[in-house]
Amino acid sequence: DVKVTQSSRYLVKRTGEKVFLECVQDMDHENMFWYRQDPGLGLRLIYFSYDVKMKEKGDIPEGYSVSREKKERFSLILESASTNQTSMYLCASSLEQLGTGPDTQYFGPGTRLTVL
Amino acid sequence: GQSLEQPSEVTAVEGAIVQINCTYQTSGFYGLSWYQQHDGGAPTFLSYNALDGLEETGRFSSFLSRSDSYGYLLLQELQMKDSASYFCAVRVDMFSGGYNKLIFGAGTRLAVHP
Repeated sequence: DVKVTQSSRYLVKRTGEKVFLECVQDMDHENMFWYRQDPGLGLRLIYFSYDVKMKEKGDIPEGYSVSREKKERFSLILESASTNQTSMYLCASSLEQLGTGPDTQYFGPGTRLTVL
Repeated sequence: GQSLEQPSEVTAVEGAIVQINCTYQTSGFYGLSWYQQHDGGAPTFLSYNALDGLEETGRFSSFLSRSDSYGYLLLQELQMKDSASYFCAVRVDMFSGGYNKLIFGAGTRLAVHP
């Protein structure tokens, strides 16, 4: 079974703090993704990475950065946390993006971040 | 822009059949996926349609009409454990580097009652 783990289930930070969210997958997947999930808005893509040290902006990258130094690990960084970044953050991985198949994404359990 | 619409809530009784619709407006469309998420859990993949028609997987089926930009998830013989949120997601071309991404709908919360 694919396993995607995230460093914390719950996190409380103060405005202006630098926040690191980490994600690890154990299936040698090429692609990794960071989403945030908010009620009524579904999942929105923040960044994704298709290879080590490579990244692409998603739909809402502002206020975030990412790092992928190893294939299995993808980190989301909030340089200066703000209250509007309070949300559930979900990491996902997928095998590859070739062809028109489903590119099934496997999700971690999520980190609920509260910024005070 | 790109958008998906699905109902916010659906209620049904055990043993019944329920259909969750999804309409989309996108460019660079590859296919339509469905994901299930129980409260407090991670989204999990259910099905994918790249071509028009019905795909069946056990009690769940998914349908796509590319010409109508429309799809649905059909759940049969509903069980209490099917109570969850269901997200449709379109796989679209990012028009950058040959990569593609999923765009998720807001989700439909399904409540199954005895």
